[in-house]
Amino acid sequence: EDKVVQSPLSLVVHEGDTVTLNCSYEVTNFRSLLWYKQEKKAPTFLFMLTSSGIEKKSGRLSSILDKKELFSILNITATQTGDSAIYLCAVASRAGKSTFGDGTTLTVKP
Amino acid sequence: DARVTQTPRHKVTEMGQEVTMRCQPILGHNTVFWYRQTMMQGLELLAYFRNRAPLDDSGMPKDRFSAEMPDATLATLKIQPSEPRDSAVYFCASGNRAFNEKLFFGSGTQLSVL
Repeated sequence: EDKVVQSPLSLVVHEGDTVTLNCSYEVTNFRSLLWYKQEKKAPTFLFMLTSSGIEKKSGRLSSILDKKELFSILNITATQTGDSAIYLCAVASRAGKSTFGDGTTLTVKP
Repeated sequence: DARVTQTPRHKVTEMGQEVTMRCQPILGHNTVFWYRQTMMQGLELLAYFRNRAPLDDSGMPKDRFSAEMPDATLATLKIQPSEPRDSAVYFCASGNRAFNEKLFFGSGTQLSVL
């Protein structure tokens, strides 16, 4: 059974801090790993990673995948209160199934 | 601006009643997923379809849940009879596997079973 484990489950930081969110996975026939941000309602897409060692970057957010060790990290530098959200990691198999982890709840205090 | 549309946004019902949730995927998307989210269990996959065919519904309690795609513009998730433990937010998401695995989520149906 496909499995995604995220850590930590929750995190409280102050504005300006840098955070690292972790995602480890076990999946049959891995195709890609995706990160989503969930603020009030629906998760929204952040990154998709398919190859090891290639960093994806968008502003203050970046992510990298290690397919040998089966994990990914999401980094957020210079955090802002608007970064407060649940960050979800998902893995997609070649069969088309997308399995999510339980998420990391990030709270950024002013 | 293409989006996944889910109805109803909120549903309050009594135990034993039938609940039907509807989803209109983004036009041209060929995969549709149903997820359930609770505080305790995160995003739990219930069922998913590709080109309207059910590929996996192993996450769904079969005795009371059913998922269908009567046509390419409509996916439904039914619970009959509903129970208080079914209270959760139900999300529909769609994607186009020809491009990548990125999913677009609807706003969800907040279900409360009393």
